[in-house]
Amino acid sequence: GAVVSQHPSWVICKSGTSVKIECRSLDFQATTMFWYRQFPKQSLMLMATSNEGSKATYEQGVEKDKFLINHASLTLSTLTVTSAHPEDSSFYICSASVRTSGTEELFFGEGSRLTVL
Amino acid sequence: GENVEQHPSTLSVQEGDSAVIKCTYSDSASNYFPWYKQELGKRPQLIIDIRSNVGEKKDQRIAVTLNKTAKHFSLHITETQPEDSAVYFCAASISNTGNQFYFGTGTSLTVIP
Repeated sequence: GAVVSQHPSWVICKSGTSVKIECRSLDFQATTMFWYRQFPKQSLMLMATSNEGSKATYEQGVEKDKFLINHASLTLSTLTVTSAHPEDSSFYICSASVRTSGTEELFFGEGSRLTVL
Repeated sequence: GENVEQHPSTLSVQEGDSAVIKCTYSDSASNYFPWYKQELGKRPQLIIDIRSNVGEKKDQRIAVTLNKTAKHFSLHITETQPEDSAVYFCAASISNTGNQFYFGTGTSLTVIP
């Protein structure tokens, strides 16, 4: 299957700083990538849809200025958590969809665990 | 928008027994239903999927059934093994539109040796 790589896998930062997470499609081009947030023992909550060359589409309740998404190339999308606070601590996972046999399948990155002190 | 519900939230079975996880969806336009397995701290991995033109699909010990009329689909794992222990997520999507995948709330499966 397609490979999606996410970096860093784990980051600890001080409150008030910004953190950038990268999501790369290694062996395919992804015009659309998705960013999810996952709290312990909870489901994947879609935050935003990242579109190459255009603005991201954010889900209701997700602050655009807080979670900056950039999808400047067909293989890279970035999520920047600005002015991070402890409540932003979470597991962030990106994914990209690949069209196979007429259906879009979703492939996930490894996830990035953010801890804000 | 689409709403996917998943039950049960936790499930414990003895090794060798079967496990069944059920999901319902609300949007009749959804036509692609994947299931993901997520081990602790790792990424979700696709284990099986089903499209709306099929009622059942099987892959070794794993099977998925779909009832379009009732808008529900289920994951069946037979002859469970300890390595099947993980969190399982169902999802619904409208394929060919680049739309989002909507996930169920997850089922934590524990297979007791």
